[in-house]
Amino acid sequence: GESVGLHLPTLSVQEGDNSIINCAYSNSASDYFIWYKQESGKGPQFIIDIRSNMDKRQGQRVTVLLNKTVKHLSLQIAATQPGDSAVYFCAENMDSSYKLIFGSGTRLLVRP
Amino acid sequence: GAGVSQTPSNKVTEKGKYVELRCDPISGHTALYWYRQSLGQGPEFLIYFQGTGAADDSGLPNDRFFAVRPEGSVSTLKIQRTERGDSAVYLCASSLKQGGGYTFGSGTRLTVV
Repeated sequence: GESVGLHLPTLSVQEGDNSIINCAYSNSASDYFIWYKQESGKGPQFIIDIRSNMDKRQGQRVTVLLNKTVKHLSLQIAATQPGDSAVYFCAENMDSSYKLIFGSGTRLLVRP
Repeated sequence: GAGVSQTPSNKVTEKGKYVELRCDPISGHTALYWYRQSLGQGPEFLIYFQGTGAADDSGLPNDRFFAVRPEGSVSTLKIQRTERGDSAVYLCASSLKQGGGYTFGSGTRLTVV
């Protein structure tokens, strides 16, 4: 079936640099997307979301970009900090349904 | 409560045994979800409750898995005749309404030996 996927399984960045985590989705019917952060031993934590009628949304140090033409989602983290080290998942949701479809995750490692 | 609470945090059981995993959602959240997460993978949907009823249990892998939410708050995921392949982290989440993002608990790590 259609699913959310990720380009890079592991991303290593220098502390203070910007990070970009990418995600490709295949279901054009998806209209809601979420980025989650998961630290070891914890459940996924909501970071930021975006609906399909937008192409950009900003939060505190994070920005999500949505390109519906190529079905691509990205998470940008500004001035990456050691506390940002975690696995990041994108998830999609269709027609405001309850079911989230997750990708397999990208591990972000922040070098001091 | 302040967040979604799951107990136990870790459970080790022998193959063939029965286990129950508990989820306490955020107070007032009518929607409750169970997901399963294997090592290195994203969470996979198991079942969704709206109130007391299971609105969608299509993600349950087989009839050894069952979940209840009798009073529309606490939910229990039950696994009969556990198999080694059931080993995973079982995540519970809740939300105020259907759709949108939801809040996850820290999960129960189930190990079947």
